[in-house]
Amino acid sequence: EDQVTQSPEALRLQEGESSSLNCSYTVSGLRGLFWYRQDPGKGPEFLFTLYSAGEEKEKERLKATLTKKESFLHITAPKPEDSATYLCAVQAGDAGNMLTFGGGTRLMVKP
Amino acid sequence: SQTIHQWPATLVQPVGSPLSLECTVEGTSNPNLYWYRQAAGRGLQLLFYSVGIGQISSEVPQNLSASRPQDRQFILSSKKLLLSDSGFYLCAWSRGSSSYEQYFGPGTRLTVT
Repeated sequence: EDQVTQSPEALRLQEGESSSLNCSYTVSGLRGLFWYRQDPGKGPEFLFTLYSAGEEKEKERLKATLTKKESFLHITAPKPEDSATYLCAVQAGDAGNMLTFGGGTRLMVKP
Repeated sequence: SQTIHQWPATLVQPVGSPLSLECTVEGTSNPNLYWYRQAAGRGLQLLFYSVGIGQISSEVPQNLSASRPQDRQFILSSKKLLLSDSGFYLCAWSRGSSSYEQYFGPGTRLTVT
């Protein structure tokens, strides 16, 4: 069974304090790993897709990396507007078009 | 560009009443469509997905059903709501090929009283 575990569940940072969010996964043949941002009361917003170990993607203050067992979302010098829940999802080789989501990390950045 | 709509945005329904949530996608053809439920503070649970008109796959046995009457329309229904049906319902679409990200709608907050 495919599993995705995100840690920590919640993270409080001061503005400018860089940190990383972790997404550990167990799948039978990874086809893609996805990061989403979700603001309260809204649908998840797509951020990145990673396909193979060693791949990196960047967008503004966010950088996503991928290894064979986990992915990290690095946040550099975060701002209060980066506060949100970040979701990780995987697409397995035998799962067709379906994604398996982790429980998310709730990030709070204080000014 | 592609957009996805859901309505209503919020809904309060009594136990035992019927349900109909609608999702439409614009700007693409033959998308894969998905219904998810998100309980408070938890991850997303896939309920149904569809790869074409009239083709529905269910992931979780429950009193909900889904239909796809048109290429870009996806409907989530129930004949009799339960308290446990409360949650945040999200519709998503992806391109017809695999290994593509899913794009989510704004969601419907359902409260069953």
